Amino acid sequence: AAGVIQSPRHLIKEKRETATLKCYPIPRHDTVYWYQQGPGQDPQFLISFYEKMQSDKGSIPDRFSAQQFSDYHSELNMSSLELGDSALYFCASSYRGSGYTFGSGTRLTVV
Amino acid sequence: KQEVTQIPAALSVPEGENLVLNCSFTDSAIYNLQWFRQDPGKGLTSLLLIQSSQREQTSGRLNASLDKSSGRSTLYIAASQPGDSATYLCAVGEEAAGNKLTFGGGTRVLVKP
Repeated sequence: AAGVIQSPRHLIKEKRETATLKCYPIPRHDTVYWYQQGPGQDPQFLISFYEKMQSDKGSIPDRFSAQQFSDYHSELNMSSLELGDSALYFCASSYRGSGYTFGSGTRLTVV
Repeated sequence: KQEVTQIPAALSVPEGENLVLNCSFTDSAIYNLQWFRQDPGKGLTSLLLIQSSQREQTSGRLNASLDKSSGRSTLYIAASQPGDSATYLCAVGEEAAGNKLTFGGGTRVLVKP
């Protein structure tokens, strides 16, 4: 069965650089979510999209933005990267309130 | 604001023992509750999903119960195996469009052979 695909798996960036993370949800899933998980922490909600419209926003810095495209894939853009942005970034998708399916995550390291 | 707590934070048991992991949440107006497993540095694997109208779900050696009124869920893992060693996360879906998940801090489980 198709899963949630995230790319890249690993990303190393320098401070003040920009990073773009991509997410391809399960086909026909109508909602996409982004989460950030710092070392030793539980995942924190960043933002979600329902049918390509932003549906909810969590503790997402102003330096971050996200969008969902017509083919339902989503991108998380992070600018002016800081050391504290180093984390695992997860994308998940769901259909009509069913359970979440998470991708394998992108490990971002800012040096 | 929904708060999710998991107790204990860590658990170490000998192989074969049953595991009991607890999750509590402050706002009973939930949409659903999901249990995940996470291996170190890896992604989140969904174990069980309980809709707000359900009392429990079972899958193999796993059983999860939900008591909305008291704000509690319990994950039972029968006859634990070393391969069950991982962090188990409870996450509550909010009763709103978008179904944002709020996670507990997780229970780190070690099953010793």
